Amino acid sequence: ILNVEQSPQSLHVQEGDSTNFTCSFPSSNFYALHWYRWETAKSPEALFVMTLNGDEKKKGRISATLNTKEGYSYLYIKGSQPEDSATYLCAFGDSGGYQKVTFGTGTKLQVIP
Amino acid sequence: SAVISQKPSRDICQRGTSLTIQCQVDSQVTMMFWYRQQPGQSLTLIATANQGSEATYESGFVIDKFPISRPNLTFSTLTVSNMSPEDSSIYLCSVGDEDTQYFGPGTRLTVL
Repeated sequence: ILNVEQSPQSLHVQEGDSTNFTCSFPSSNFYALHWYRWETAKSPEALFVMTLNGDEKKKGRISATLNTKEGYSYLYIKGSQPEDSATYLCAFGDSGGYQKVTFGTGTKLQVIP
Repeated sequence: SAVISQKPSRDICQRGTSLTIQCQVDSQVTMMFWYRQQPGQSLTLIATANQGSEATYESGFVIDKFPISRPNLTFSTLTVSNMSPEDSSIYLCSVGDEDTQYFGPGTRLTVL
């Protein structure tokens, strides 16, 4: 059983604040690390997939970094907006198969206007 | 990308009954996956739905409890059989390509 942990479980931030959360995963047999955003009553939406140590990805105000040697990834949101409120999931893919991933329990973000 | 729809979006069921969830994809895909998320838990893979053969189940999940059909390359069903309150979860189907997975909107099941 692969251990993928996310922290914090939940957080509340004021509109305009920047925030970040962590995903930790096994550092062996790494294939890919995925980030998803899951808004209530909607489908989880893919944000990033990262495969190389040191990868940095950016999409608007959201960015992510990857450290495969120590087994962690950070997701950053700059200038949080109420529409950023969602659960952010990371998923670890090992070399056993790119489509079979292990998800963390998610970080639930609430941005207060 | 792929557009995925699921039916029903939510249901409330009595224990001991069964519910079949449908998943429709707007394009032909080789592999479809079924996940569930129990309250406070992570998304967990139940099985891979294979077209033309039996589904491949993950550890802890069995065909008698979660029978799956995959009659063609765009459609699959998952049945939750003989339900108990512990089956209350969000059930999602997904399809994947080389980069990522695409998910349906989920079926929110409550078992009383």
